[in-house]
Amino acid sequence: GQQVMQIPQYQHVQEGEDFTTYCNSSTTLSNIQWYKQRPGGHPVFLIQLVKSGEVKKQKRLTFQFGEAKKNSSLHITATQTTDVGTYFCAGFRSGNTGKLIFGQGTTLQVKP
Amino acid sequence: DTGVSQDPRHKITKRGQNVTFRCDPISEHNRLYWYRQTLGQGPEFLTYFQNEAQLEKSRLLSDRFSAERPKGSFSTLEIQRTEQGDSAMYLCASSNRTGFQETQYFGPGTRLLVL
Repeated sequence: GQQVMQIPQYQHVQEGEDFTTYCNSSTTLSNIQWYKQRPGGHPVFLIQLVKSGEVKKQKRLTFQFGEAKKNSSLHITATQTTDVGTYFCAGFRSGNTGKLIFGQGTTLQVKP
Repeated sequence: DTGVSQDPRHKITKRGQNVTFRCDPISEHNRLYWYRQTLGQGPEFLTYFQNEAQLEKSRLLSDRFSAERPKGSFSTLEIQRTEQGDSAMYLCASSNRTGFQETQYFGPGTRLLVL
């Protein structure tokens, strides 16, 4: 079945350093979404990318969707302690209208 | 607070007992999803509804699991004859899908512990 893989699983950075997480799907996706889950919390929607090669920015966060619509990345510039949490990518398989497949997440720790 | 509520927030039960969870979605949302999340993993799709119709159910879901959304508003997820492996966080999400655009809003989850 379809799989969505994320690397790395964990990342520890010093506050102010950059952070990147990568997401790869075994099949083409109709779109990719990113969520953030704080410790003890629930996933919170960050952004959705639909177009091949699309790049979107939210303040210090930059999201990219690959040309083949099978991979994506999230880059955080100059991390802050408020960035701590687990970042999940999730995608709808092309042609599938309901089942959202999540990656296993990248947990970010930021040392002050 | 996303506007999606779940009840109860925590449930401890003994193996073999039945449990039922409730999800109240954002009122104007036509889609409702159930996910299961275990420690260190991403949410795993269980099933979803569009209005009152259950459109897809994961093959990972055994016959002990059943979900309903009788009036297209709130939904219930029942687990019969619980097993220790059912211990997890059960998340509900709702959305209003238009074309390819869909934002799923998650509730706080129900954490189940089966002893």
